Amino acid sequence: AQSVTQPDIHITVSEGASLELRCNYSYGATPYLFWYVQSPGQGLQLLLKYFSGDTLVQGIKGFEAEFKRSQSSFNLRKPSVHWSDAAEYFCAVGGSSNTGKLIFGQGTTLQVKP
Amino acid sequence: DTEVTQTPKHLVMGMTNKKSLKCEQHMGHRAMYWYKQKAKKPPELMFVYSYEKLSINESVPSRFSPECPNSSLLNLHLHALQPEDSALYLCASSPLLAKNIQYFGAGTRLSVL
Repeated sequence: AQSVTQPDIHITVSEGASLELRCNYSYGATPYLFWYVQSPGQGLQLLLKYFSGDTLVQGIKGFEAEFKRSQSSFNLRKPSVHWSDAAEYFCAVGGSSNTGKLIFGQGTTLQVKP
Repeated sequence: DTEVTQTPKHLVMGMTNKKSLKCEQHMGHRAMYWYKQKAKKPPELMFVYSYEKLSINESVPSRFSPECPNSSLLNLHLHALQPEDSALYLCASSPLLAKNIQYFGAGTRLSVL
């Protein structure tokens, strides 16, 4: 069965520290992978996506993610976190069948300490 | 313009009311979506429209009735809702040939009393 797991429900980091949010997926075919961010009271904003090619993808707001097929992972990283990065982060997987059905992880809440 | 606009931002309704949620996009996308999101949970897909036709209904109760009047507009008509239907309702749109790349609106926060 297709699934996405975000092992960390809640993460707290200090402002200026580095960040890594974990995402593991289970998908039979070639996955299309996404990271979304949701600020309080807002919709989801696409941070970055991976379809194929270079396994290190750059996104908006200084985020990057690395696809590791051998580990079925797509972890999100940022070298220096800003207070405005505090939000909910969702990893998602979509398929090549182009149905529009995305499978989301349960989300990770990021808190940033001053 | 990469914006999906949803109105109203907040809605309170009784269980016997009829109301509608509206969604508009001007990105030329021909696929549009309704999601339901409960607090601290990921969005759950409800409906997918492709070329203004309903292509996916994720077994949503009939008290939710979607409508796509044209390629830019998507409505969700609500009738006889239950308190457990209280949630954030998100609209999204995407290119038809890249349905995985979805752009979301800010949502309508619905409370059913």
